[in-house]
Amino acid sequence: GESVGLHLPTLSVQEGDNSIINCAYSNSASDYFIWYKQESGKGPQFIIDIRSNMDKRQGQRVTVLLNKTVKHLSLQIAATQPGDSAVYFCAEKAGANNLFFGTGTRLTVIP
Amino acid sequence: GAVVSQHPSRVICKSGTSVKIECRSLDFQATTMFWYRQFPKQSLMLMATSNEGSKATYEQGVEKDKFLINHASLTLSTLTVTSAHPEDSSFYICSARPGTGGRSGHEQYFGPGTRLTVT
Repeated sequence: GESVGLHLPTLSVQEGDNSIINCAYSNSASDYFIWYKQESGKGPQFIIDIRSNMDKRQGQRVTVLLNKTVKHLSLQIAATQPGDSAVYFCAEKAGANNLFFGTGTRLTVIP
Repeated sequence: GAVVSQHPSRVICKSGTSVKIECRSLDFQATTMFWYRQFPKQSLMLMATSNEGSKATYEQGVEKDKFLINHASLTLSTLTVTSAHPEDSSFYICSARPGTGGRSGHEQYFGPGTRLTVT
């Protein structure tokens, strides 16, 4: 079956540093990927998405990189702020199938 | 932007009782709504997918008679946990997919979640 996993379950960074959160996926048919941020006691919040025909997409302070060769996805957060502290999930989708969530990485920003 | 609400945000019920959770899309019509369950420090697990006017599709291992889903309109889906037990205590999250539009057409908008505690 599908599996979407993360290399690092926890990540601590100093405020102002850049953060990189990684995600591995196994379904080569996945063609759409999303990063979500979930704060404690809240639902997931969309951060950025990328289709499989792209290898990089940038947003405000965030960049998603997709390496289909090794089935790897990463989320880069520039100048990490205390408000970025949360759990980050990657999710994948293959065609019309449902979203499948990875296990999550807890990001802690140290002031 | 697209907003999805859930009600209640927190609920405590006694074992054996039933609890209904509402999920509403506030500013768009959702042809498809999803219900997820999340245990502490774990990921979201899809429970079921519901399309307006039709029966929900349940994921393997999810009891359809225990978790009743009704998608009565394009803006409302309800999840009823029947005969709740302590092991049903969890964070239940719904999401809604617009019929049209959205950033990519694939996107789901998530509700804030409902914390269910069964005593």
